[in-house]
Amino acid sequence: GAGVSQTPSNKVTEKGKYVELRCDPISGHTALYWYRQSLGQGPEFLIYFQGTGAADDSGLPNDRFFAVRPEGSVSTLKIQRTERGDSAVYLCASSLTPRDGYTFGSGTRLTVV
Amino acid sequence: RKEVEQDPGPFNVPEGATVAFNCTYSNSASQSFFWYRQDCRKEPKLLMSVYSSGNEDGRFTAQLNRASQYISLLIRDSKLSDSATYLCVVSDFSGGYNKLIFGAGTRLAVHP
Repeated sequence: GAGVSQTPSNKVTEKGKYVELRCDPISGHTALYWYRQSLGQGPEFLIYFQGTGAADDSGLPNDRFFAVRPEGSVSTLKIQRTERGDSAVYLCASSLTPRDGYTFGSGTRLTVV
Repeated sequence: RKEVEQDPGPFNVPEGATVAFNCTYSNSASQSFFWYRQDCRKEPKLLMSVYSSGNEDGRFTAQLNRASQYISLLIRDSKLSDSATYLCVVSDFSGGYNKLIFGAGTRLAVHP
């Protein structure tokens, strides 16, 4: 596709449930990033993939958060036992190489009730 | 202390005004600097890169002072369409990749 696609655009879930957020990067982009943006804050880094491997997952807040990119294209961010504090916009971005600028997707707005 | 600090605003200005945003960063190893624009409920989009020599793009001028670890953005002749949040962003390549660190953003509201 022409841009980075994220689905769903909105997700409402109950506290304690499991959610998966999907990111479809620009075709051919090897680098993929997940960020989280809470209300009134800038995006905060979560994880970086180069190809299939998570090269830097230092931004994941705890072990309830996990992300995969099994074939080096689509990535899924998985959150277990969701908490109200997980409510935020989850942004995905991709770049052609690890040193290039990013293109962001439009995000998934997650609300935990 | 946050790595990138910005005045949150909001800045409420009339059309035609000149407005300046400031930003400081704490990591002296930062190598690249940017201003991003984010409209309400949209993703951030690159406005411009920032260089030590200063750079201009139409009504927008960005400046970097590495010694003071300070970045600025000046908007001249503000338009209603400039209303948005402006994010100051730094990156370093210490991990071998372009890791962006965002400030919390400064909100601008331009009114008629």
